[in-house]
Amino acid sequence: GQNIDQPTEMTATEGAIVQINCTYQTSGFNGLFWYQQHAGEAPTFLSYNVLDGLEEKGRFSSFLSRSKGYSYLLLKELQMKDSASYLCAVRDSNYQLIWGAGTKLIIKP
Amino acid sequence: DAGITQSPRHKVTETGTPVTLRCHQTENHRYMYWYRQDPGHGLRLIHYSYGVKDTDKGEVSDGYSVSRSKTEDFLLTLESATSSQTSVYFCAISESVQGYEQYFGPGTRLTVT
Repeated sequence: GQNIDQPTEMTATEGAIVQINCTYQTSGFNGLFWYQQHAGEAPTFLSYNVLDGLEEKGRFSSFLSRSKGYSYLLLKELQMKDSASYLCAVRDSNYQLIWGAGTKLIIKP
Repeated sequence: DAGITQSPRHKVTETGTPVTLRCHQTENHRYMYWYRQDPGHGLRLIHYSYGVKDTDKGEVSDGYSVSRSKTEDFLLTLESATSSQTSVYFCAISESVQGYEQYFGPGTRLTVT
């Protein structure tokens, strides 16, 4: 079966750095996405990786290793507004997105 | 922000009644999706559409049907609502399936009593 694993919850301090990991086992791979979802709101797109390596976008970076079935989202200079759930999703061989259950990130002052 | 709206935003209905949720887009995107989101689960695909009158089933399609008669509208119908269909329903759109992200509507919170 297809599976996306990410930690259920993480806690970090304002101003610090946090890394959210995602491991996947899917039938085929056509890209990996990270989304942010604030409580009660819709998911919003953060990043897309299809080749191995690091993609940087401001305070957020995303890394992919296809051989290891592994990705991480790195958030720097954490702000209180970064408190949200972070969703990892993989596009499989049928071009459908398979979603992880999300990681709830709690930021403390 | 992508122009996607969903209606209604909240609905409470009784078991056994039919329910239709509407997704409307102004982006002229070809692909439209219906997902449900439940605690402890990732987003799960119910149905999707790859063009007018072209739809296909997703992972959790039992008890749901869809229709797309115009590019901008994608309807999700629960033929006879059950308590297990209490959930938050999200519509999403994308230009293509390769290399493009999906944009999400605001969601509909459905409660079946």
